[in-house]
Amino acid sequence: AQSVTQLDSQVPVFEEAPVELRCNYSSSVSVYLFWYVQYPNQGLQLLLKYLSGSTLVESINGFEAEFNKSQTSFHLRKPSVHISDTAEYFCAVSEAGGGNKLTFGTGTQLKVEL
Amino acid sequence: DADVTQTPRNRITKTGKRIMLECSQTKGHDRMYWYRQDPGLGLRLIYYSFDVKDINKGEISDGYSVSRQAQAKFSLSLESAIPNQTALYFCATSDLAGGAYNEQFFGPGTRLTVL
Repeated sequence: AQSVTQLDSQVPVFEEAPVELRCNYSSSVSVYLFWYVQYPNQGLQLLLKYLSGSTLVESINGFEAEFNKSQTSFHLRKPSVHISDTAEYFCAVSEAGGGNKLTFGTGTQLKVEL
Repeated sequence: DADVTQTPRNRITKTGKRIMLECSQTKGHDRMYWYRQDPGLGLRLIYYSFDVKDINKGEISDGYSVSRQAQAKFSLSLESAIPNQTALYFCATSDLAGGAYNEQFFGPGTRLTVL
């Protein structure tokens, strides 16, 4: 069975600073990787996903994540954060052939301060 | 209108009561899911359904049951609520085509408190 580890439960950062949210996964088969974002008092929404091909994937709001198979990681980065990026971020994995069942990490609360 | 709706949005109930949380979707998706979110634990899958006749247990199904009344409706029931079922509950949907790499679309959540 797959598992996801997000070691940082909270990450405080000043506005316009860079940030990295870490995600490591474990699986015995091929996986698809996702980052979801949850803004306060809302449901989750997809930020970006890795399926195959280029290991670097980008979102429309400046986040990017890089799939590293050897390190079983899918860290999320943004070179310059904004106050509006304050949210909880969840890394998730879906196993190929597993029927689209997602296993989520425990989440990282990103708090952007002025 | 929202594509995935959940009712009620908030509910306070007492230990031993039966509770039903409802989810409706207008996305035309075959697959529907119920998760619970607890602080520090992330989201955990309770039940999932790949079509009206296909219902499966997730990792934490004990104490819960579900009903898929139609393609668009998926209800979660707590037959006899207990305090450790206090959590935020999310319904999600995904398209059948594409399989494991499809995006899941989440409802706004139901905050359930069991006293």
